[in-house]
Amino acid sequence: AQKITQTQPGMFVQEKEAVTLDCTYDTSDPSYGLFWYKQPSSGEMIFLIYQGSYDQQNATEGRYSLNFQKARKSANLVISASQLGDSAMYFCAMRERSNQFYFGTGTSLTVIP
Amino acid sequence: KAGVTQTPRYLIKTRGQQVTLSCSPISGHRSVSWYQQTPGQGLQFLFEYFSETQRNKGNFPGRFSGRQFSNSRSEMNVSTLELGDSALYLCASIEGFSGANVLTFGAGSRLTVL
Repeated sequence: AQKITQTQPGMFVQEKEAVTLDCTYDTSDPSYGLFWYKQPSSGEMIFLIYQGSYDQQNATEGRYSLNFQKARKSANLVISASQLGDSAMYFCAMRERSNQFYFGTGTSLTVIP
Repeated sequence: KAGVTQTPRYLIKTRGQQVTLSCSPISGHRSVSWYQQTPGQGLQFLFEYFSETQRNKGNFPGRFSGRQFSNSRSEMNVSTLELGDSALYLCASIEGFSGANVLTFGAGSRLTVL
């Protein structure tokens, strides 16, 4: 079974609108971390946001927030007020207790002016 | 602090050749991981080194190998290159594995095999 599933290969959003990128995960570890990374066309992976499995509150970092639904094993990324510079690939990742990271196949986001 | 540095950034090889990629982690980071990224495959984990020891290994053939030096710099080697080895190879380092410690990635080495 896939550890991380991102079901949206591509998404489009109008500039200044909000967009949600979906991510579901599969683990039996009680302790894990969830991460989102952005990969612009240049190739470098940029860390966006982190959520710990024991965190009660949803993580937020500026325009990024993580909608963490533990029972559903869901960790969706919400980007508010989209900007043209947000156009990129977005990867959801999970770290289990083994300290190994697992990545999804990514979602390509295009922001339309 | 300088980021994760990968060299070379771009390289072209032919089938059957071998290639060595280098990664210098962020100062103080003792763990280095390598990933292969191909279109549609996402990031595939290759291996992880910590204090010169390979701690985890992904599901890749033995043609893919790596090592880590005492200064935490890491190299990965691919021997007998195949067309399917064309990919972006990403290196990442991490300070520790507690809490919100994150993988910090380099810009990658883009390998083309002809």
